[in-house]
Amino acid sequence: EVVLTQSPATLSLSPGERATLSCRASQSVSSYLAWYQQIPGQAPRLLIYDASKRATGTPARFSGSGSGTDFTLTVSSLEPEDFAVYYCQQRSNGLTFGGGTKVEIK
Amino acid sequence: EEQLVESGGGLVQPGRSLRVSCAASGFTFDNYAMHWVRQAPGKGPEWVSGISWNGLIVDYADSVKGRFTISRDNAKNSLHLQMNSLRVEDMALYYCVKDSGPEWIGYPRDAFDVWGQGTLVTVSS
Repeated sequence: EVVLTQSPATLSLSPGERATLSCRASQSVSSYLAWYQQIPGQAPRLLIYDASKRATGTPARFSGSGSGTDFTLTVSSLEPEDFAVYYCQQRSNGLTFGGGTKVEIK
Repeated sequence: EEQLVESGGGLVQPGRSLRVSCAASGFTFDNYAMHWVRQAPGKGPEWVSGISWNGLIVDYADSVKGRFTISRDNAKNSLHLQMNSLRVEDMALYYCVKDSGPEWIGYPRDAFDVWGQGTLVTVSS
């Protein structure tokens, strides 16, 4: 089973700042990585799939990059609604989620 | 609008059974694989089980294999999860999730593109 490790666990930033979230896989998952956003009290929502493709409705300020074992989700300029928990997920070998990164208001 | 609505959650004693269901609308249900994903309080999501578009391929997380059974009724646009021999560690919010493809094994580029709001399963004596 592929283990996904996300860092940092918590990111404290202000609106308008850039957020950079990391997801590292225990073995190569090629480009087969997705990112989800979860606002408290809501279900997760797909943001990015295939490492860099934005899902329908995902704002352009969200971008994904990486391949193999190292991936990054970047939010270019944080909006108030972006403060949430973000999870990465792979389905290259089994189907696993990372532990999450909480983006909180500083 | 694509929508998934779960039902059937509740309080159950350890060792007992529970069946949760999901009603789908707003998309062609039998074109897509479907999954159950659970999330314990304060934890990340955990994939539980998946079923292909035609019901012929099913798979389970090791933690529930042999105890849970996933099924679908394409005529009724519904997904089900029969949970037997429930344990305290099965307590979680159970989400019904739509896949963006017809299967997931061999379709690594696809993802979970529609989620329900979840149904809470509490396992306690």
